[in-house]
Amino acid sequence: AQKITQTQPGMFVQEKEAVTLDCTYDTSDPSYGLFWYKQPSSGEMIFLIYQGSYDQQNATEGRYSLNFQKARKSANLVISASQLGDSAMYFCVYDTGANSKLTFGKGITLSVRP
Amino acid sequence: NAGVTQTPKFRILKIGQSMTLQCAQDMNHNYMYWYRQDPGMGLKLIYYSVGAGITDKGEVPNGYNVSRSTTEDFPLRLELAAPSQTSVYFCASKTRQGNYGYTFGSGTRLTVV
Repeated sequence: AQKITQTQPGMFVQEKEAVTLDCTYDTSDPSYGLFWYKQPSSGEMIFLIYQGSYDQQNATEGRYSLNFQKARKSANLVISASQLGDSAMYFCVYDTGANSKLTFGKGITLSVRP
Repeated sequence: NAGVTQTPKFRILKIGQSMTLQCAQDMNHNYMYWYRQDPGMGLKLIYYSVGAGITDKGEVPNGYNVSRSTTEDFPLRLELAAPSQTSVYFCASKTRQGNYGYTFGSGTRLTVV
């Protein structure tokens, strides 16, 4: 079974600074996808960014970018110019592709300081 | 579009009671999923469906049942509720095409006492 590892304790960042949230995964699948989702205190799951294993370039979505290093099996999320509204739990998620079942990491709590 | 609608939003059950969590989507998505989220943890897959009439177990199916009689609806049944089923339940759906575009419902917070 695939395994997603998010080992950072709660993260703190100053408003307007950049922050990197780490994610490593373990798989032998040749084709897969990786997501990052944001879960604010209100509880909803918000899609941030997606990276396919065969994508040649790292994914970017506005202030979010994914530092994908396939050989190292890491998919770190970079948030640039942090905002107070970025304070939330962030989940790294593995997508098998087959039937598209998702495996979630344990999540990282990010707090943005004014 | 309403997206994925879950009802109820909150529920308290007594041990041994049964209930059905409702999930409906209006996007004509083939794939539907039920996840549970325990406090401070990521989501774990309970059951999923790749189309009407087809369901399969996920990582934590014990104590739950599902059915998928239509494309739109994917109810989750809890039989003989136990305190270990206290959790937040999320329903999600996606279309067959592409590996992204999951839509999550807003969740059902269930407490078993």
